[in-house]
Amino acid sequence: DAGVTQSPTHLIKTRGQQVTLRCSPKSGHDTVSWYQQALGQGPQFIFQYYEEEERQRGNFPDRFSGHQFPNYSSELNVNALLLGDSALYLCASSLVRILGNTEAFFGQGTRLTVV
Amino acid sequence: DAKTTQPNSMESNEEEPVHLPCNHSTISGTDYIHWYRQLPSQGPEYVIHGLTSNVNNRMASLAIAEDRKSSTLILHRATLRDAAVYYCILGQGDSGGGADGLTFGKGTHLIIQP
Repeated sequence: DAGVTQSPTHLIKTRGQQVTLRCSPKSGHDTVSWYQQALGQGPQFIFQYYEEEERQRGNFPDRFSGHQFPNYSSELNVNALLLGDSALYLCASSLVRILGNTEAFFGQGTRLTVV
Repeated sequence: DAKTTQPNSMESNEEEPVHLPCNHSTISGTDYIHWYRQLPSQGPEYVIHGLTSNVNNRMASLAIAEDRKSSTLILHRATLRDAAVYYCILGQGDSGGGADGLTFGKGTHLIIQP
């Protein structure tokens, strides 16, 4: 089992551009959540996808959007990139939506640098 | 969202037990207590979780206070590979309207001395 895989591992973009990050969940998992982690901070919840719909969203602007495919893989899109969007973007998968009594599995993340 | 309070950093010696504290005085009855850790240049890794009773697994033990307002993650015999940031997180046990995502704080940076 490959676990949660994210691509690419590193990315450099110019301010104003758009970026798409990809995530394949752990085998058998149907729920994908995305997090942003700035340097020296804990991860911040962006949104969660289940049954191909955005189910919950954290405090992030509409420039952040996503998609989940029938095979449960997911994409995170960020439009009109700002310098402050530079961060490690983490994808987490779980077997159920409600994370109280289950564990989430995280990928290694995509390091996005906006210049 | 319910919040947790952890020390910014702790230091311990290799092969000794480590007790990482966490305060969560506003915990609700359906909140589970989770611990994740993040090694350098990696994504967070699940360690353990519990609701009311103490829990043990191959990685660690979780001791939960009787009033559930605090908990302690116990690493029984620390190794250099346990050096990481440890996050104590409250996970909702029902869809009570809050975000289903995990709310991370800054965690405790655990330093292990050889």
